[in-house]
Amino acid sequence: GIQVEQSPPDLILQEGANSTLRCNFSDSVNNLQWFHQNPWGQLINLFYIPSGTKQNGRLSATTVATERYSLLYISSSQTTDSGVYFCAVGVGDNYGQNFVFGPGTRLSVLP
Amino acid sequence: NAGVTQTPKFRILKIGQSMTLQCTQDMNHNYMYWYRQDPGMGLKLIYYSVGAGITDKGEVPNGYNVSRSTTEDFPLRLELAAPSQTSVYFCASSYFPTGTGNTIYFGEGSWLTVV
Repeated sequence: GIQVEQSPPDLILQEGANSTLRCNFSDSVNNLQWFHQNPWGQLINLFYIPSGTKQNGRLSATTVATERYSLLYISSSQTTDSGVYFCAVGVGDNYGQNFVFGPGTRLSVLP
Repeated sequence: NAGVTQTPKFRILKIGQSMTLQCTQDMNHNYMYWYRQDPGMGLKLIYYSVGAGITDKGEVPNGYNVSRSTTEDFPLRLELAAPSQTSVYFCASSYFPTGTGNTIYFGEGSWLTVV
């Protein structure tokens, strides 16, 4: 099956710093999304980005589908950005009902 | 508008016991999902449903059963609990398939420990 890798596994930043999170996947996908899981376990969808670039405030994401990777950029990080960031890819029929999640990048933003 | 509601939030089961995790959504979503998240890992799809009366297996369905009698409810049944089922369980829903990029909404999770 498809493999999804994320790097780095852990990241510690000072408030105000910028960061780039990477997601590599081993096969063509019809769906790629980024999620944030806050320290209390709540999962929030950040981006649907099977290709191209999107921006939402201090966050932006780029997917280069032909090279099978996606990047999540966090600028001017805040303590509320802490948590785990997951990349998930959709595979299979039915518009990719089966999401395959990467192992996540755990981000800690220090005040 | 409560979104996706899961109960219970925490539960300890003994090996061999059975239980049902409840999931309800009030957004009139067609698609509903059950995922499990093991410590330090990403989520894995257990079962999903594309509408009332229609369910299908995901990546890790063994040891679980689901039903979808209404649009709102998607309970997950654990039969003969095993320690390997110790995990955090998330229910989720979306109006359109996840592959279309439609936003998927997650419940707050149910922490299950089997001892």
